Amino acid sequence: GENVEQHPSTLSVQEGDSAVIKCTYSDSASNYFPWYKQELGKGPQLIIDIRSNVGEKKDQRIAVTLNKTAKHFSLHITETQPEDSAVYFCAASFTGNQFYFGTGTSLTVIP
Amino acid sequence: GAVVSQHPSRVICKSGTSVKIECRSLDFQATTMFWYRQFPKKSLMLMATSNEGSKATYEQGVEKDKFLINHASLTLSTLTVTSAHPEDSSFYICSAMGRLSSGNTIYFGEGSWLTVV
Repeated sequence: GENVEQHPSTLSVQEGDSAVIKCTYSDSASNYFPWYKQELGKGPQLIIDIRSNVGEKKDQRIAVTLNKTAKHFSLHITETQPEDSAVYFCAASFTGNQFYFGTGTSLTVIP
Repeated sequence: GAVVSQHPSRVICKSGTSVKIECRSLDFQATTMFWYRQFPKKSLMLMATSNEGSKATYEQGVEKDKFLINHASLTLSTLTVTSAHPEDSSFYICSAMGRLSSGNTIYFGEGSWLTVV
């Protein structure tokens, strides 16, 4: 089955700096890669996703890049703000019926 | 985005009793819903996959007789923790599979904190 690895497990950045979280996957058939943000005590919320037919997708300060050859995808947050502090999960899916999650990255933005 | 509602958000129950958690997709039909358990500062642990109108598929190590899952309609799945014990205390999260124009994705509920005393 699919195996998703996520790094780093914790990340601290100064407010205004950029944050990058990287995930690798093992199944080359995976073709859908969503990212979720989980604030303390809440359920994860979908923040951005990318499908294998594109290499990059951007939504304001958030972007995701995908390298199918290397089987990795990354979340980029620019101009970080304290409210970006949360746990971020990546996921990979092939059929859209089964999702495999990374182990999460705890991001702290220091004011 | 799509909304998944989970209820209750917090529940305290006595040891030996059962507690039911509901997961509803509010603005879309979900043929598939998932139930997770999450320990503090840990990742999501998939417990079971719930398909409307059929029996849930449980992950290895999850007791199906203890964690009863029912998916009776396209918008509602329930998780019942039976004969609860303090070690069942945890954060339980559901998710529902919804369809975007580009394909399927998963939307999560807000989670339910269960404390067994």
